[in-house]
Amino acid sequence: GIQVEQSPPDLILQEGANSTLRCNFSDSVNNLQWFHQNPWGQLINLFYIPSGTKQNGRLSATTVATERYSLLYISSSQTTDSGVYFCAVEPGTYKYIFGTGTRLKVLA
Amino acid sequence: DTAVSQTPKYLVTQMGNDKSIKCEQNLGHDTMYWYKQDSKKFLKIMFSYNNKELIINETVPNRFSPKSPDKAHLNLHINSLELGDSAVYFCASSQFRDIGTDTQYFGPGTRLTVL
Repeated sequence: GIQVEQSPPDLILQEGANSTLRCNFSDSVNNLQWFHQNPWGQLINLFYIPSGTKQNGRLSATTVATERYSLLYISSSQTTDSGVYFCAVEPGTYKYIFGTGTRLKVLA
Repeated sequence: DTAVSQTPKYLVTQMGNDKSIKCEQNLGHDTMYWYKQDSKKFLKIMFSYNNKELIINETVPNRFSPKSPDKAHLNLHINSLELGDSAVYFCASSQFRDIGTDTQYFGPGTRLTVL
């Protein structure tokens, strides 16, 4: 089956720094989404980004489907950005696979 | 007003017991989901229902049975609980049936501990 690997697995930043999180997938996919899970466990859907680039405030995401990766950019990071970031892909109809996650800690 | 709610928030039980987790959404969405997050934070979809119709049924032991009495509710019943069932279970909902494109709204999770 498809493998969905995220890197880095852990990341520590100072507040105000920028970061790039990566999601690699081993086979073609129909769709891709990014999620954030805050330190209290709440999951939030960030982006639906099967291809191209989208921006939402300080966050933006780019997916290059032909090269099987997606990037999530966080600019001017804040402590509230801490948590775990997941990508999830849809490799086929009614199939949905999450990545391994990147744990981000932003220090004040 | 909570959009997606789950009860209970914590559940501690003995091996072999049967338990249920309830989920309700007040967003008027057509599709609801159950996810399992293990101790290493790995997330996996278990089931999804669209208007009470089962549309995703991943490789999950048949001890797990979802039940959708109406499109606002999706309950998860687990028979003969095992140690490996210990995890956080998340319910979610989305407006349409396409898991890959719809925005999903998640409940707060239910932490199940099997002793």
